[in-house]
Amino acid sequence: GQNIDQPTEMTATEGAIVQINCTYQTSGFNGLFWYQQHAGEAPTFLSYNVLDGLEEKGRFSSFLSRSKGYSYLLLKELQMKDSASYLCAVYNAGKSTFGDGTTLTVKP
Amino acid sequence: DSGVTQTPKHLITATGQRVTLRCSPRSGDLSVYWYQQSLDQGLQFLIQYYNGEERAKGNILERFSAQQFPDLHSELNLSSLELGDSALYFCASSGDDFSNQPQHFGDGTRLSIL
Repeated sequence: GQNIDQPTEMTATEGAIVQINCTYQTSGFNGLFWYQQHAGEAPTFLSYNVLDGLEEKGRFSSFLSRSKGYSYLLLKELQMKDSASYLCAVYNAGKSTFGDGTTLTVKP
Repeated sequence: DSGVTQTPKHLITATGQRVTLRCSPRSGDLSVYWYQQSLDQGLQFLIQYYNGEERAKGNILERFSAQQFPDLHSELNLSSLELGDSALYFCASSGDDFSNQPQHFGDGTRLSIL
């Protein structure tokens, strides 16, 4: 079976740093994706991890520990437009299992 | 613009009816994925096609079916519709069915069952 856990909601201040955690228990693992989804819009790809470690992409970084079944998305220098839902997805054998998403609210 | 086109954008119909949702993948992408997203819920994977062949199946109901045509566009057919089928249906595409390809999502079809 597949089980992915993320916090439901988080709040942070503009200009700050926030870390969104994702833990997973899956029957197989080929990679982990992070997507951003604004309300009523399509998800957009942020990052991908297949090996342990940190992947950095501008203000966004993602970390993976396969032995711990754990990933996080780090957002730096938060902007108001970063208010959105952040989805963690585990890919295995053609199937992507998404977490329910973390709704991030950025306040001035 | 992700390059993935879904039609129609909105669909309103009644219980018991049948509808077809259409998806054109990004140019050059061979894989198409279908997802259902109900209000305040996460994305539920329905089915994946790769180059015309069914590749992976999620929790897709028997009332739902899909196919991918030779020109790589895909259709999701929903029949005997129930109120609970009201949701946003996303199509996504990727270059292949390997794990290191991100999926690019269309804008979705919002289905409302009255």
